[in-house]
Amino acid sequence: SQQGEEDPQALSIQEGENATMNCSYKTSINNLQWYRQNSGRGLVHLILIRSNEREKHSGRLRVTLDTSKKSSSLLITASRAADTASYFCATERLTGANSKLTFGKGITLSVRP
Amino acid sequence: DAGITQSPRHKVTETGTPVTLRCHQTENHRYMYWYRQDPGHGLRLIHYSYGVKDTDKGEVSDGYSVSRSKTEDFLLTLESATSSQTSVYFCATKGGLATLVGFNEQFFGPGTRLTVL
Repeated sequence: SQQGEEDPQALSIQEGENATMNCSYKTSINNLQWYRQNSGRGLVHLILIRSNEREKHSGRLRVTLDTSKKSSSLLITASRAADTASYFCATERLTGANSKLTFGKGITLSVRP
Repeated sequence: DAGITQSPRHKVTETGTPVTLRCHQTENHRYMYWYRQDPGHGLRLIHYSYGVKDTDKGEVSDGYSVSRSKTEDFLLTLESATSSQTSVYFCATKGGLATLVGFNEQFFGPGTRLTVL
């Protein structure tokens, strides 16, 4: 079963507004990552937050992690039409030399010009 | 796309035929992964490799096999394709030791759209 579950499934906002996307997961993790996918393309890594971190920033992105609630949120500030894409959270658990990500089903973000 | 190519990019085949998808990377990354992406399911891990000749199953490995004879290539084989294997397949790589800072992100290829009739 999938580890990450994003919420909402789809989000439509006006350019300039902030977009908040949530992710919940079920088991312990080493880190949580957010990826973006433009239509017809591969995924691109956006930001990673480790299990001992609570908040991280990268440009217009802000991600939070609450391990007690097993949840994360991704905030995109001052959204642009070019932010229109699907966003996925993924959790990583490290077991020895093995490294695997488990992805959620994704959130479709539409930013209206 | 971090030097990751997938071939073919599109393929249409018939049920029962064997199909091999190739992932090639020029980054000398240790880890390589095969995912499938289907509407309503997100990305699901099929198989992965943590070194040459070292592979393991993911959550949806039935009907698929993989091989990695050298660092740069990771092959995904559908021994006898079925219509349920119609999907978009993504290869991804990750470099270095899993526990080192900066080596945790995966880099994705452009995808292969496979249709099984």
